Amino acid sequence: GIQVEQSPPDLILQEGANSTLRCNFSDSVNNLQWFHQNPWGQLINLFYIPSGTKQNGRLSATTVATERYSLLYISSSQTTDSGVYFCAVKETSGSRLTFGEGTQLTVNP
Amino acid sequence: ETGVTQTPRHLVMGMTNKKSLKCEQHLGHNAMYWYKQSAKKPLELMFVYSLEERVENNSVPSRFSPECPNSSHLFLHLHTLQPEDSALYLCASSLFTGELFFGEGSRLTVL
Repeated sequence: GIQVEQSPPDLILQEGANSTLRCNFSDSVNNLQWFHQNPWGQLINLFYIPSGTKQNGRLSATTVATERYSLLYISSSQTTDSGVYFCAVKETSGSRLTFGEGTQLTVNP
Repeated sequence: ETGVTQTPRHLVMGMTNKKSLKCEQHLGHNAMYWYKQSAKKPLELMFVYSLEERVENNSVPSRFSPECPNSSHLFLHLHTLQPEDSALYLCASSLFTGELFFGEGSRLTVL
């Protein structure tokens, strides 16, 4: 099956800093999503981005499908951005979404 | 509010109990999923239902029994669980195999 690697596994920032999270995948995909898991466990949709670039406020994402990676940018981070960020992909030949192991982000005041 | 509602949010049960988790989606989706998230582990897909038919079952023990009576509701029936089954159980839905939307999760503790 497809392999999904996220980096870094852990990231600690001061409030106001910018960051980039990376997701590498091992095969062609037709579905890629970024999620934020809040401290209560809920997975919040951030982006549905199998290719291209999208922006939503302080967050933006870029997927370069031909090079098999996606980036999530967080600018001017806030303490409420803390949590785990997951990348999930569905390979073109498959039917299931495969999750990476996540990046644990901590934003300190 | 994602349009996917799970109940109960927290459940504590003994190993001999029988309980059920419920999921309801209000998004008009036709596929529903159960995922399991244990501490320090990635999300694991348990079951997939498409148009109310089970299309995937990832070697899940028979003590977990899913039920999908219609495209808006999904249940996970639990019986004779083990302490290692304690985890966060997440329900999700999608339109065919498109964007996935998750519920808030049901945190299960098995004593």
